[in-house]
Amino acid sequence: DTAVSQTPKYLVTQMGNDKSIKCEQNLGHDTMYWYKQDSKKFLKIMFSYNNKELIINETVPNRFSPKSPDKAHLNLHINSLELGDSAVYFCASSQDRNNSPLHFGNGTRLTVT
Amino acid sequence: GESVGLHLPTLSVQEGDNSIINCAYSNSASDYFIWYKQESGKGPQFIIDIRSNMDKRQGQRVTVLLNKTVKHLSLQIAATQPGDSAVYFCAESDFKTIFGAGTRLFVKA
Repeated sequence: DTAVSQTPKYLVTQMGNDKSIKCEQNLGHDTMYWYKQDSKKFLKIMFSYNNKELIINETVPNRFSPKSPDKAHLNLHINSLELGDSAVYFCASSQDRNNSPLHFGNGTRLTVT
Repeated sequence: GESVGLHLPTLSVQEGDNSIINCAYSNSASDYFIWYKQESGKGPQFIIDIRSNMDKRQGQRVTVLLNKTVKHLSLQIAATQPGDSAVYFCAESDFKTIFGAGTRLFVKA
């Protein structure tokens, strides 16, 4: 049974559209994250929530809005999609907010045309 | 700014040989370091970690070495197998986890 699951796995959409990616973890972890991986495999943190509270908000356009309805879920909504948003988005969770390894989902490949 | 970098973007080794992947970090405040393995189409997977009060930690076929003096981290894989072929990331953490650029490991049969 998948520990961190995110949907959809693939998302192809046109510029200007709004889309959402959902993430759920069944590990009982307190902290969840969104990372973006570009075409060169570089992983950059976007957001982190601890017990539904936003604790990390990197320099991300405000078109990106995370939402955590409970500590097991962290969704990512993106407004007015741009070509540069094309990437693989990874959800992750960790037991604590500090000094705990991250458990990643298998990613959502977003392609904006 | 903060950065975690790798010395080699790709590494090719013969099956059965030992592999060493190196990493440099720049944030002196980082106190937790992790190695991840990413296979094609999957998310990064935890391999081994080490805290700043240690300089060596061993797992099954893997060893992580930490040199805080020169801010250097390495991952050693013993008896490398074809299944070890993947992209390996080092990561450092104080408040947030920052990833290095990744090293692609090719294992030749």
